[in-house]
Amino acid sequence: SQQGEEDPQALSIQEGENATMNCSYKTSINNLQWYRQNSGRGLVHLILIRSNEREKHSGRLRVTLDTSKKSSSLLITASRAADTASYFCAPQFGTGANNLFFGTGTRLTVIP
Amino acid sequence: DAGITQSPRHKVTETGTPVTLRCHQTENHRYMYWYRQDPGHGLRLIHYSYGVKDTDKGEVSDGYSVSRSKTEDFLLTLESATSSQTSVYFCAIRKDRDTGELFFGEGSRLTVL
Repeated sequence: SQQGEEDPQALSIQEGENATMNCSYKTSINNLQWYRQNSGRGLVHLILIRSNEREKHSGRLRVTLDTSKKSSSLLITASRAADTASYFCAPQFGTGANNLFFGTGTRLTVIP
Repeated sequence: DAGITQSPRHKVTETGTPVTLRCHQTENHRYMYWYRQDPGHGLRLIHYSYGVKDTDKGEVSDGYSVSRSKTEDFLLTLESATSSQTSVYFCAIRKDRDTGELFFGEGSRLTVL
């Protein structure tokens, strides 16, 4: 399977702490995307990192990419209860979203 | 709001009946996608469309057909629903020509008894 694999499957932290989620994949990618899904809702795109980038920031989000290890991480700093959601990585192995493969996600719970 | 509406949002049906899910977009994007989401499998691509009457299969297309007669509508049809097609179905559109960044609808929960 070409899907990304997230680790851990579930994560529970206190509000204000940082949350780190990891993603591994198996073959070369064009880019890697992270999405969030609140319970009962559709996925929301968070950030895209291209294969020639090593780090990217967006607000409280920091994404790193190590193509030599075929892995990425998503760091959410100073977490809030509203960050409670499932987070999915999606490596893209070619052009077009038909080459985007979603993992099974990390379920993050932020305790107020 | 990506301007995507899915209907119906919830449906319960019986094995062997046909089911059609509709995805409607208001922004005239060329690329549209249907995914299913199941526990332990993440999201898997069923079919996608790259224009009116232009569609192609995804990873899990067996048992599904699609049609796109207008830019704004992408229909997913289960010709004869089975219990294994019980799932949450998501429609998505691609806005950026160069990346695969997707914008999703709110999902359609289908239960096949």
